[in-house]
Amino acid sequence: GENVEQHPSTLSVQEGDSAVIKCTYSDSASNYFPWYKQELGKGPQLIIDIRSNVGEKKDQRIAVTLNKTAKHFSLHITETQPEDSAVYFCAPPVGYNKLIFGAGTRLAVHP
Amino acid sequence: DAGITQSPRHKVTETGTPVTLRCHQTENHRYMYWYRQDPGHGLRLIHYSYGVKDTDKGEVSDGYSVSRSKTEDFLLTLESATSSQTSVYFCAIRDWGQNTYEQYFGPGTRLTVT
Repeated sequence: GENVEQHPSTLSVQEGDSAVIKCTYSDSASNYFPWYKQELGKGPQLIIDIRSNVGEKKDQRIAVTLNKTAKHFSLHITETQPEDSAVYFCAPPVGYNKLIFGAGTRLAVHP
Repeated sequence: DAGITQSPRHKVTETGTPVTLRCHQTENHRYMYWYRQDPGHGLRLIHYSYGVKDTDKGEVSDGYSVSRSKTEDFLLTLESATSSQTSVYFCAIRDWGQNTYEQYFGPGTRLTVT
C-alpha cells in the first residue's frame, strides 16, 4: 500500500525564521498533494495543496513545492509567527476515495 | 467546522462496553470518514462511507463497525471497547466531484476506555 513519510517530526524556530517540512510518498500515480494544519484541540484543516502539473504554489507566507521524480513535496512557511505553531500533516490520496496522512510535524515558533 | 458536529465530545467508558460515536453534517456531502488520532501515528482511517448504506474499511477497521442510514449521519460503533481504542476520533466529510479531495473535519471526540 501507499507509504507516506514526513520529516522532521518536530521543528522549533524563532519568530521570523523560515520552516520547511518534507513529505515522501510511494504511489507514483498520486496527482494531488495537500498539507493540513491542526491547531490544539481542533480537527485538521487544509491550508494549501498542489496538483501534479504544477511544480510550486504560493499563498502569502506558505508555499508547497513538488518533485514528482523524487516523489516528495514540501511545505515552506516564511516569516513564521507564533500563530503558525501547530501540527502539520501531508496527506496524499490513495485512489479517489482516501487520503493517507503522514505522522505529523509539530512546529513551535518562539517569540 | 464546515457544518460538522460530533457527539459526544468526551466519553469515559469501561472495557467490554459498547460505545457509539455520532457524526452529523449539514452540508449534504456524499463522503464521510472516521479517523483515529494517536501520538506518533497521525490520523488513521477506520471506515468511510461514499453514500447512504455504502461503506468500506480503512487501515485500522478491526473492532469497529459503522452505519449510515441517512446522508447527514455516520455512526461509529465499538462493539466491545478495549483500552487500545482509547484515542481521539475525528469525523470528516468530503464533497463529490472530479478531482475534489479536500476533507473537512469535525472537532473530535476524546474516548477513554478504562
